[in-house]
Amino acid sequence: AQKVTQAQTEISVVEKEDVTLDCVYETRDTTYYLFWYKQPPSGELVFLIRRNSFDEQNEISGRYSWNFQKSTSSFNFTITASQVVDSAVYFCALRDDYNTDKLIFGTGTRLQVFP
Amino acid sequence: DAGITQSPRHKVTETGTPVTLRCHQTENHRYMYWYRQDPGHGLRLIHYSYGVKDTDKGEVSDGYSVSRSKTEDFLLTLESATSSQTSVYFCAISENPPPDTQYFGPGTRLTVL
Repeated sequence: AQKVTQAQTEISVVEKEDVTLDCVYETRDTTYYLFWYKQPPSGELVFLIRRNSFDEQNEISGRYSWNFQKSTSSFNFTITASQVVDSAVYFCALRDDYNTDKLIFGTGTRLQVFP
Repeated sequence: DAGITQSPRHKVTETGTPVTLRCHQTENHRYMYWYRQDPGHGLRLIHYSYGVKDTDKGEVSDGYSVSRSKTEDFLLTLESATSSQTSVYFCAISENPPPDTQYFGPGTRLTVL
């Protein structure tokens, strides 16, 4: 069965610290897609990244980077030099079925960045 | 940002009353979805639509129905609201078939007393 686990319920850091949010997934399929979304205190869901299972290159976008490792079924998200504006709930999600459009979400990690 | 609006943004209702939530998009995307967000569950798919009059059930569809008579509007109806349907409801859209990225609306906070 498909499953996404975000074991870290809440993380608190001080501004400028680096922080890594963990995401572990389960799937039987060889073709699948992984996503990260950000939900700031205002409540909307903001798309951050999509990766497919055939592309294991790590991705960097400014202070954000993602480490995809199929060997450990993980797709971790690192924020470098965190800022107060990074405070949000972050969701990891999986899609592995071409016949439905079901996104499987993890339960989210709440990140609090203190000044 | 994707042009997605949801109405109402907040609603309080009583058990047993019908409630309709509206999702409106200006992107002309074919695919639309309704999710609910609850603590400890992340987001779960309620219903989805692949086009006008083409809808299907998600994983938590009991007690909900949907309709899509126009490309831009996707309505979610709680036929007889219950307290367990107190939640935040998100609409999402995607331009292409799965597994295209879904973009989310601002959400509707529904409280059923």
